[in-house]
Amino acid sequence: ETGVTQTPRHLVMGMTNKKSLKCEQHLGHNAMYWYKQSAKKPLELMFVYSLEERVENNSVPSRFSPECPNSSHLFLHLHTLQPEDSALYLCASSQAVGQFRDTQYFGPGTRLTVL
Amino acid sequence: KQEVTQIPAALSVPEGENLVLNCSFTDSAIYNLQWFRQDPGKGLTSLLLIQSSQREQTSGRLNASLDKSSGRSTLYIAASQPGDSATYLCAVKDSGSRLTFGEGTQLTVNP
Repeated sequence: ETGVTQTPRHLVMGMTNKKSLKCEQHLGHNAMYWYKQSAKKPLELMFVYSLEERVENNSVPSRFSPECPNSSHLFLHLHTLQPEDSALYLCASSQAVGQFRDTQYFGPGTRLTVL
Repeated sequence: KQEVTQIPAALSVPEGENLVLNCSFTDSAIYNLQWFRQDPGKGLTSLLLIQSSQREQTSGRLNASLDKSSGRSTLYIAASQPGDSATYLCAVKDSGSRLTFGEGTQLTVNP
């Protein structure tokens, strides 16, 4: 596989469930990102990891818990979500954080529905 | 706080027409500006990236311009095709890792 992959592509969960989203990048990048895309809203940056260390956390509720075990994998653990958390969750990777010419490459996203 | 606005929110044109999408941003202290394409239910594909020192970038039928001092960028699409139908997103990058996105312009090119 090439580029950035995300699984699952679609997820429906109840408010009491625990689930995880997975992202994998095959580009040899050192930075990975989670974004949330809600209807009628711009993409919102949630978390940034550089070399497996979290470098940015944008006031995201604790019911979202990221994990980056290595530079190729990024997870988003979900628990006790709310219906308003339903959105498209996009993962991205880039060569490094903060580089002048850095371009982020996006995965196809996970469409999450919380019932 | 950086804010990015895209106009129009939606656009429908006949095939073959040339068109312009607009993006404006409030804080001119940016590293670069990027235009992305997003197909329904899919991720983002980078189209063009303009560094803050550049005025424009071209790729095929696409041309993006940047006027950093006025906080504006345009994406020009020449000879539009039905396959160009998608949502086009503008994003600016500040000194850190943050990309700030606009809400996008939903383009429909009718055969």
